Amino acid sequence: DAKTTQPNSMESNEEEPVHLPCNHSTISGTDYIHWYRQLPSQGPEYVIHGLTSNVNNRMASLAIAEDRKSSTLILHRATLRDAAVYYCILTTDSWGKLQFGAGTQVVVTP
Amino acid sequence: NAGVTQTPKFQVLKTGQSMTLQCAQDMNHNSMYWYRQDPGMGLRLIYYSASEGTTDKGEVPNGYNVSRLNKREFSLRLESAAPSQTSVYFCASSEQEAGHSYEQYFGPGTRLTVT
Repeated sequence: DAKTTQPNSMESNEEEPVHLPCNHSTISGTDYIHWYRQLPSQGPEYVIHGLTSNVNNRMASLAIAEDRKSSTLILHRATLRDAAVYYCILTTDSWGKLQFGAGTQVVVTP
Repeated sequence: NAGVTQTPKFQVLKTGQSMTLQCAQDMNHNSMYWYRQDPGMGLRLIYYSASEGTTDKGEVPNGYNVSRLNKREFSLRLESAAPSQTSVYFCASSEQEAGHSYEQYFGPGTRLTVT
């Protein structure tokens, strides 16, 4: 299965943008890139996903490198509520099974 | 619209006891999933059901059984609980169809302790 590599943690100031990198050098042509986040004591929450083109939604933006070997999740203005573990996941089969890694712990300071 | 609901929220079992974790979704989703999360780690897939009437093993199926009762409900059973099954269990659902990729919606989790 294709794997992802993320930094263990990142820190940001409130109202500043946050850029979360993810490397996935063994990605295959049909793998989708998904991002989920998990707030303390809650279930994961979908953030965004994409295949080849950059994607925007109300929560975040996803920038995908041209060779698709890396991607970046962008939170445009961090709030305290954005403090969570963010997971970058490749869906490697037709049935959407998610393979979670350790993720990146995002700390937002006022 | 409650999304994905799980019962119970908390449970303590003794080694060897059995129990069933219940999950229901009201979004008319085809696919449902059971994950476990151990402290400080990411989630791992136990079983999934691509559609009503089908179930398949995930990454860590040993010690568990599942039933897709109908399109709404997907239960997880521990026949003989072991301390290694102490974990937080999450159920999820998705519109997922072969060849497409959709987001998964997660329930709030069941915190299980086996002593």
